Parts: sequence; C-alpha cells; structure tokens
Amino acid sequence: SQQGEEDPQALSIQEGENATMNCSYKTSINNLQWYRQNSGRGLVHLILIRSNEREKHSGRLRVTLDTSKKSSSLLITASRAADTASYFCATGKETSGSRLTFGEGTQLTVNP
Amino acid sequence: ETGVTQTPRHLVMGMTNKKSLKCEQHLGHNAMYWYKQSAKKPLELMFVYNFKEQTENNSVPSRFSPECPNSSHLFLHLHTLQPEDSALYLCASSQVGSAGGINGYTFGSGTRLTVV
Repeated sequence: SQQGEEDPQALSIQEGENATMNCSYKTSINNLQWYRQNSGRGLVHLILIRSNEREKHSGRLRVTLDTSKKSSSLLITASRAADTASYFCATGKETSGSRLTFGEGTQLTVNP
Repeated sequence: ETGVTQTPRHLVMGMTNKKSLKCEQHLGHNAMYWYKQSAKKPLELMFVYNFKEQTENNSVPSRFSPECPNSSHLFLHLHTLQPEDSALYLCASSQVGSAGGINGYTFGSGTRLTVV
C-alpha cells in the first residue's frame, strides 16, 4: 500500500499567509517526518513527530499527527517567498528497519 | 553543504557506458540509502546499507550495482542503462540506534542523470 499521500498536490498563496499541507497514510507507523525540496536539489529534513505525539512546533512550522485518522498536517505560518518548494511527508515503520517511505509531495508557491 | 556530498552533480551517459555515482557522508551516520526521483513520482527507495551491510534491495534491476566500502562512502555503479533510468539520484544517511528506531535523513544534493 502507498504511504504518505500529500494533499493538495499544489498550493499557491501570497506572502504572509499561512500554508497547510496534509498527509495521509495507510498502515501503522513509528514516526512521520516532513521534508522540503527546492527545485532539483536534495531534500531537507524539517521535523519528525513520533506516533505517541500529537503536535510539534519548530519555528514557523507546526505539525500535527492523528494516528486514529492516519493523517498529519504541516502548517507554515507567515509564509515567505523563500518557502517556495516541494514538501514531502515520509513515514517510518517499526517493521521496516530504518527505511522511510515518501509521498508524492505538495508543490508550494509563495507569491511576493 | 549538508554533510552528505554527491558527485557528479550532472551526468550524461550513453546506453553502453559504465559510470559510477559517489556519495560521501561526514556525519558519522551508520546507515546510507540510494533513492531515485523521477518526475511526477514519489521517491523510490533503491538500496539500504546499515553498518556497511546491504539490508535492502528494492527489486532494482541488475544494471544498478551498489557498493559500500565503509560506513562513510556509498557508490552506485551504472551500466547498460535505459533512457527511462534518467532521473535525479539521491543519497541519504541517517543514524540508526542500537534499538533500531527511525531518525531523520540527511540528503545530498543529488546527481541528475540523463541517459541518451
């Protein structure tokens, strides 16, 4: 089964607005992680939330996890043009060793 | 610089060529990974190495051959590739704890491969 499906596929907002991206997954997880990728570059780890956590903050980022609904959301507050990138969620499972399974990503465009 | 260095950044090769991609991590991590990223597709895990031992080969064609001589270096040897193998190849590393556990990955900038 495919893990980590992001929604929406693309999101365009104005600078200063908040951006919310969602991720759904199908099987039980150990943790869920969010990554950012600028065009043609590698992914950058943003935040990790464990299965026994419900919410986590890092700077302008807020991540929530609802294991009963198998979903997570990433909120970026007061967005900036530099936040323009693709955002991926990735899930890790106890039974899968150290591997992560990535979704297809949300392309966020922040217009100045 | 993330601590994971990939070379070359770009590679164009013919279908009969043999080339190698190199990845080096300076973070002291004990696990390394190769992922393939094609347009409009999720990242595809290719190979996993934990403590220099290959622990996963995700049904990758034999024209891709990984090598991990030590915990800091990872290679992907390429031969007789097809045009559909053109993609961004990403290397990543992570620290796996003694009790297992899944931590964040550090990715390199990738090698953009074009097979002609």
